[in-house]
Amino acid sequence: KAGVTQTPRYLIKTRGQQVTLSCSPISGHRSVSWYQQTPGQGLQFLFEYFSETQRNKGNFPGRFSGRQFSNSRSEMNVSTLELGDSALYLCASSLGGESSYEQYFGPGTRLTVT
Amino acid sequence: GENVEQHPSTLSVQEGDSAVIKCTYSDSASNYFPWYKQELGKRPQLIIDIRSNVGEKKDQRIAVTLNKTAKHFSLHITETQPEDSAVYFCAALPGIRYGGATNKLIFGTGTLLAVQP
Repeated sequence: KAGVTQTPRYLIKTRGQQVTLSCSPISGHRSVSWYQQTPGQGLQFLFEYFSETQRNKGNFPGRFSGRQFSNSRSEMNVSTLELGDSALYLCASSLGGESSYEQYFGPGTRLTVT
Repeated sequence: GENVEQHPSTLSVQEGDSAVIKCTYSDSASNYFPWYKQELGKRPQLIIDIRSNVGEKKDQRIAVTLNKTAKHFSLHITETQPEDSAVYFCAALPGIRYGGATNKLIFGTGTLLAVQP
């Protein structure tokens, strides 16, 4: 099976702009979770989507949003970018059932805000 | 709130020695504990995991132990090799609340393991 893929791999944006990141999960996986990774804060949970519904949300401002499509692909959007949003954004896919917890990460999107 | 503490932050060992990384979690209802290995510039890779109904799990040179009473879990790597050098993250999955399942993982802050040849 193909692994989790993310596009684009690298992005450079300016403060105030918005950005959309994409994640394609492993075939058959219905859950996609998003994490932000920074040197200072480590890996922090943004949100999780399962069957097109947001199932959980982390402590991030409303500028961070996401969605999931019927084919389980997910996008996250960050509006009004700030310098502090510079990070590696990782998505992880999982079967999503209550007995299947394993999450597999994509390669990430490196976002730089200038 | 939900929290996972991880120690040490850095660990240097000689090739062939053992390495132990320890984590403590706050949510007593947590039921799943994965470990991830992240090499420089790469994605986190799931290397082993354990569920709350099991005390120990082993996979070749890697083992994980869980003490639910103390809310501790540990990663043990034996016969370390230079390719084991990476950042290792522990994580915990909080218990199900409000009737809904979740995949929200709470991560530790990571341990940089350096295996000296």
